[in-house]
Amino acid sequence: SQQGEEDPQALSIQEGENATMNCSYKTSINNLQWYRQNSGRGLVHLILIRSNEREKHSGRLRVTLDTSKKSSSLLITASRAADTASYFCATGLLSSGTYKYIFGTGTRLKVLA
Amino acid sequence: EAGVAQSPRYKIIEKRQSVAFWCNPISGHATLYWYQQILGQGPKLLIQFQNNGVVDDSQLPKDRFSAERLKGVDSTLKIQPAKLEDSAVYLCASRVQGDREKLFFGSGTQLSVL
Repeated sequence: SQQGEEDPQALSIQEGENATMNCSYKTSINNLQWYRQNSGRGLVHLILIRSNEREKHSGRLRVTLDTSKKSSSLLITASRAADTASYFCATGLLSSGTYKYIFGTGTRLKVLA
Repeated sequence: EAGVAQSPRYKIIEKRQSVAFWCNPISGHATLYWYQQILGQGPKLLIQFQNNGVVDDSQLPKDRFSAERLKGVDSTLKIQPAKLEDSAVYLCASRVQGDREKLFFGSGTQLSVL
Protein backbone atom coordinates (compact mmCIF):
# COMPACT_ATOMS: atom_id res chain seq x y z
CA SER A 1 0.00 0.00 0.00
CA GLN A 2 1.13 3.57 -0.55
CA GLN A 3 1.36 5.95 2.35
CA GLY A 4 1.47 9.18 0.40
CA GLU A 5 -0.94 10.75 -2.00
CA GLU A 6 0.55 13.49 -4.12
CA ASP A 7 -1.15 16.41 -5.67
CA PRO A 8 -1.24 17.38 -8.44
CA GLN A 9 -0.62 14.19 -10.42
CA ALA A 10 0.82 16.26 -13.24
CA LEU A 11 2.03 19.85 -13.50
CA SER A 12 3.17 21.84 -16.51
CA ILE A 13 4.83 25.24 -16.07
CA GLN A 14 7.03 27.68 -17.93
CA GLU A 15 10.73 27.95 -17.23
CA GLY A 16 11.39 30.47 -14.48
CA GLU A 17 8.09 29.84 -12.70
CA ASN A 18 7.79 28.17 -9.32
CA ALA A 19 6.45 24.62 -8.96
CA THR A 20 4.63 23.43 -5.86
CA MET A 21 3.65 19.85 -5.18
CA ASN A 22 1.94 18.43 -2.15
CA CYS A 23 2.03 15.15 -0.29
CA SER A 24 -0.47 13.84 2.23
CA TYR A 25 0.10 10.75 4.35
CA LYS A 26 -1.86 8.62 6.79
CA THR A 27 0.17 7.64 9.84
CA SER A 28 2.73 9.16 12.17
CA ILE A 29 6.20 9.42 10.69
CA ASN A 30 9.79 9.97 11.78
CA ASN A 31 10.83 11.82 8.65
CA LEU A 32 9.68 12.67 5.15
CA GLN A 33 11.88 12.79 2.09
CA TRP A 34 11.48 13.95 -1.48
CA TYR A 35 12.99 12.13 -4.43
CA ARG A 36 13.26 12.92 -8.12
CA GLN A 37 13.05 10.37 -10.90
CA ASN A 38 14.03 11.12 -14.46
CA SER A 39 12.38 8.97 -17.10
CA GLY A 40 13.75 5.44 -17.08
CA ARG A 41 16.16 6.04 -14.22
CA GLY A 42 16.43 5.37 -10.52
CA LEU A 43 15.32 7.80 -7.83
CA VAL A 44 17.59 10.51 -6.51
CA HIS A 45 17.29 11.95 -3.00
CA LEU A 46 16.53 15.66 -2.88
CA ILE A 47 15.79 16.69 0.68
CA LEU A 48 14.79 15.27 4.07
CA ILE A 49 12.71 16.86 6.81
CA ARG A 50 12.31 15.34 10.25
CA SER A 51 9.04 15.16 12.14
CA ASN A 52 10.15 17.87 14.58
CA GLU A 53 10.99 20.31 11.78
CA ARG A 54 8.61 22.59 9.96
CA GLU A 55 10.66 23.89 7.05
CA LYS A 56 13.92 23.06 5.27
CA HIS A 57 15.75 24.71 2.40
CA SER A 58 18.28 23.34 -0.05
CA GLY A 59 19.27 25.53 -2.98
CA ARG A 60 16.12 26.15 -5.02
CA LEU A 61 14.14 23.64 -2.96
CA ARG A 62 11.94 24.44 -0.01
CA VAL A 63 10.04 21.75 1.85
CA THR A 64 7.47 22.20 4.59
CA LEU A 65 5.95 19.68 6.94
CA ASP A 66 2.70 19.95 8.90
CA THR A 67 2.41 16.90 11.11
CA SER A 68 -0.99 17.98 12.46
CA LYS A 69 -2.39 17.87 8.93
CA LYS A 70 -0.15 14.98 7.88
CA SER A 71 1.01 16.86 4.84
CA SER A 72 4.14 18.20 3.19
CA SER A 73 4.87 20.44 0.27
CA LEU A 74 7.85 20.80 -2.04
CA LEU A 75 8.51 24.12 -3.72
CA ILE A 76 10.97 24.41 -6.60
CA THR A 77 11.76 28.03 -7.32
CA ALA A 78 12.87 29.46 -10.67
CA SER A 79 12.30 26.15 -12.44
CA ARG A 80 14.48 24.99 -15.32
CA ALA A 81 13.85 22.58 -18.18
CA ALA A 82 16.22 20.18 -16.43
CA ASP A 83 13.76 19.98 -13.50
CA THR A 84 11.39 18.02 -15.74
CA ALA A 85 10.93 14.72 -13.89
CA SER A 86 8.63 12.85 -11.53
CA TYR A 87 8.78 13.80 -7.88
CA PHE A 88 7.90 11.44 -5.05
CA CYS A 89 7.49 11.91 -1.33
CA ALA A 90 8.57 9.06 0.93
CA THR A 91 7.57 8.72 4.56
CA GLY A 92 10.09 7.20 6.93
CA LEU A 93 8.74 4.99 9.72
CA LEU A 94 11.01 3.58 12.38
CA SER A 95 9.89 -0.03 12.82
CA SER A 96 11.67 -2.97 14.44
CA GLY A 97 14.77 -0.84 14.85
CA THR A 98 15.10 0.16 11.21
CA TYR A 99 13.51 2.60 8.81
CA LYS A 100 10.77 1.54 6.42
CA TYR A 101 10.13 3.90 3.52
CA ILE A 102 6.78 4.16 1.79
CA PHE A 103 6.50 6.20 -1.38
CA GLY A 104 3.67 8.33 -2.64
CA THR A 105 2.03 8.26 -6.03
CA GLY A 106 4.19 11.01 -7.52
CA THR A 107 3.83 14.31 -9.37
CA ARG A 108 4.97 14.50 -12.99
CA LEU A 109 6.49 17.92 -13.57
CA LYS A 110 7.08 19.30 -17.03
CA VAL A 111 9.00 22.56 -17.38
CA LEU A 112 8.61 24.19 -20.75
CA ALA A 113 11.52 26.16 -22.17
CA GLU B 1 31.89 6.18 -4.20
CA ALA B 2 30.35 3.53 -6.45
CA GLY B 3 26.57 3.53 -6.59
CA VAL B 4 24.03 0.75 -6.29
CA ALA B 5 24.51 -1.68 -9.17
CA GLN B 6 21.64 -3.61 -10.71
CA SER B 7 21.47 -6.08 -13.55
CA PRO B 8 20.14 -6.78 -16.03
CA ARG B 9 18.95 -3.38 -17.19
CA TYR B 10 16.12 -4.85 -19.26
CA LYS B 11 14.46 -8.25 -19.38
CA ILE B 12 11.69 -9.57 -21.60
CA ILE B 13 10.11 -12.93 -20.77
CA GLU B 14 6.93 -14.81 -21.45
CA LYS B 15 4.37 -15.45 -18.75
CA ARG B 16 5.03 -18.50 -16.58
CA GLN B 17 8.80 -18.19 -17.16
CA SER B 18 11.24 -17.45 -14.36
CA VAL B 19 13.44 -14.39 -13.96
CA ALA B 20 16.05 -13.17 -11.50
CA PHE B 21 17.38 -9.72 -10.72
CA TRP B 22 20.65 -8.90 -9.02
CA CYS B 23 21.62 -5.99 -6.81
CA ASN B 24 24.97 -4.96 -5.37
CA PRO B 25 24.47 -2.17 -2.80
CA ILE B 26 26.96 0.51 -1.85
CA SER B 27 29.77 -0.93 0.22
CA GLY B 28 29.00 -0.77 3.92
CA HIS B 29 25.27 -0.22 3.51
CA ALA B 30 23.60 -2.66 5.86
CA THR B 31 20.00 -2.07 4.80
CA LEU B 32 18.77 -3.13 1.38
CA TYR B 33 15.31 -2.62 -0.14
CA TRP B 34 13.59 -4.02 -3.22
CA TYR B 35 10.81 -1.93 -4.70
CA GLN B 36 8.40 -2.64 -7.56
CA GLN B 37 7.36 0.35 -9.66
CA ILE B 38 4.52 -0.14 -12.08
CA LEU B 39 4.31 2.44 -14.88
CA GLY B 40 2.76 5.67 -13.67
CA GLN B 41 2.88 4.70 -9.99
CA GLY B 42 5.20 5.22 -7.06
CA PRO B 43 7.62 2.53 -5.89
CA LYS B 44 6.03 -0.18 -3.76
CA LEU B 45 8.17 -1.87 -1.11
CA LEU B 46 8.52 -5.62 -1.68
CA ILE B 47 11.14 -6.63 0.86
CA GLN B 48 13.65 -5.06 3.24
CA PHE B 49 16.85 -6.66 4.52
CA GLN B 50 19.03 -5.67 7.46
CA ASN B 51 22.38 -7.31 6.78
CA ASN B 52 21.30 -10.82 5.68
CA GLY B 53 18.07 -10.92 7.67
CA VAL B 54 14.57 -10.05 6.44
CA VAL B 55 13.04 -7.08 8.27
CA ASP B 56 9.83 -6.72 6.27
CA ASP B 57 8.41 -8.87 3.49
CA SER B 58 4.73 -8.21 4.15
CA GLN B 59 4.13 -6.93 0.59
CA LEU B 60 6.07 -9.71 -1.16
CA PRO B 61 3.81 -12.18 -3.07
CA LYS B 62 5.50 -15.18 -1.58
CA ASP B 63 3.77 -17.70 -3.82
CA ARG B 64 5.87 -16.47 -6.73
CA PHE B 65 8.47 -14.00 -5.46
CA SER B 66 11.53 -14.83 -3.41
CA ALA B 67 14.58 -12.85 -2.37
CA GLU B 68 17.80 -13.51 -0.56
CA ARG B 69 20.81 -11.60 0.61
CA LEU B 70 23.56 -14.04 1.31
CA LYS B 71 26.49 -12.77 3.40
CA GLY B 72 24.69 -9.46 3.86
CA VAL B 73 26.00 -7.92 0.63
CA ASP B 74 24.54 -8.79 -2.81
CA SER B 75 20.88 -9.62 -3.18
CA THR B 76 18.78 -11.45 -5.75
CA LEU B 77 15.06 -11.17 -6.36
CA LYS B 78 13.36 -13.99 -8.23
CA ILE B 79 9.95 -14.38 -9.80
CA GLN B 80 8.72 -17.87 -10.60
CA PRO B 81 6.41 -18.11 -12.48
CA ALA B 82 5.94 -14.62 -13.86
CA LYS B 83 2.54 -13.13 -14.60
CA LEU B 84 1.59 -10.30 -16.95
CA GLU B 85 0.97 -7.99 -13.99
CA ASP B 86 4.59 -8.38 -12.89
CA SER B 87 5.64 -6.08 -15.72
CA ALA B 88 7.34 -3.21 -13.89
CA VAL B 89 10.65 -1.67 -12.97
CA TYR B 90 12.33 -3.41 -10.04
CA LEU B 91 14.40 -0.99 -8.01
CA CYS B 92 17.03 -1.81 -5.46
CA ALA B 93 18.01 0.73 -2.82
CA SER B 94 20.43 0.71 0.08
CA ARG B 95 21.04 2.77 3.18
CA VAL B 96 23.70 3.13 5.83
CA GLN B 97 22.70 1.62 9.15
CA GLY B 98 21.99 4.04 11.91
CA ASP B 99 20.99 7.63 11.67
CA ARG B 100 21.51 8.24 7.98
CA GLU B 101 18.05 8.07 6.48
CA LYS B 102 18.83 8.78 2.83
CA LEU B 103 18.19 6.00 0.29
CA PHE B 104 20.49 5.37 -2.64
CA PHE B 105 18.82 3.77 -5.66
CA GLY B 106 20.10 1.72 -8.53
CA SER B 107 18.91 2.35 -12.09
CA GLY B 108 16.48 -0.54 -11.89
CA THR B 109 15.60 -3.54 -14.02
CA GLN B 110 12.73 -3.03 -16.44
CA LEU B 111 10.78 -6.27 -16.76
CA SER B 112 8.28 -6.92 -19.54
CA VAL B 113 6.16 -10.06 -19.27
CA LEU B 114 4.48 -11.01 -22.55
